Amino acid sequence: DIQMAQSPSTLSASVGDRVTLTCRASQSINSWLAWYQQKPGKAPKLLIYKASNLDSGVPSRFSGSGSGTEFTLTISSLQPDDFATYYCQQYNSFLYTFGQGTKLEIK
Amino acid sequence: EVQLVESGGGMVKPGGSIRLSCAASGFTFTNAWMSWVRQAPGKGLEWVGRIKSNTDGGTADYTAPVKGRFIISRDDSKNTLYLQMNSLEIEDTAVYYCAVLSSGWRWGQGTLVTVSS
Repeated sequence: DIQMAQSPSTLSASVGDRVTLTCRASQSINSWLAWYQQKPGKAPKLLIYKASNLDSGVPSRFSGSGSGTEFTLTISSLQPDDFATYYCQQYNSFLYTFGQGTKLEIK
Repeated sequence: EVQLVESGGGMVKPGGSIRLSCAASGFTFTNAWMSWVRQAPGKGLEWVGRIKSNTDGGTADYTAPVKGRFIISRDDSKNTLYLQMNSLEIEDTAVYYCAVLSSGWRWGQGTLVTVSS
């Protein structure tokens, strides 16, 4: 199975900050990577698919990049609603796998 | 618009069984490869398994912890996906989501299964 590693595990930031979350795959997944935002008690919300495609309705302050084994999710200017846990997920090959998550906290 | 609605969750004793359903709409279910994903309380996300479309063979694949205990099936006449969960263990306690790839991955709202004596 492909292992996904996210860093950092926790990130403290302030409203207005630019933040970058990283996701690394144990082998190449081409661009078959998704990013999700999850808030307590809610289903994960798709933000980015195929590494860099913004899902419909997702604010443009979110962007994704990368290919192969290294990927990033950038939030250009943090808003209060963005404090949540973020997961990456590879779907290049089954068994699809997730990173362990990055918790974005208010500083 | 893709809609996935899970149902059937509840409390079950260790060793028991339960069947989850996922009603799908807004896409061509017959052609879709469908998946189940779970999240234990306070934990991360785990892909449980997927089933191919019947035109692609209709076979299912599973993550190791559930192989031999869980069965994914589908009824294309009802646009419904199922997850039969047998020999349940406490570690199977989780919210279970169904999912489909349509541009990006689309998920339902989830249904909670609690395994407890």
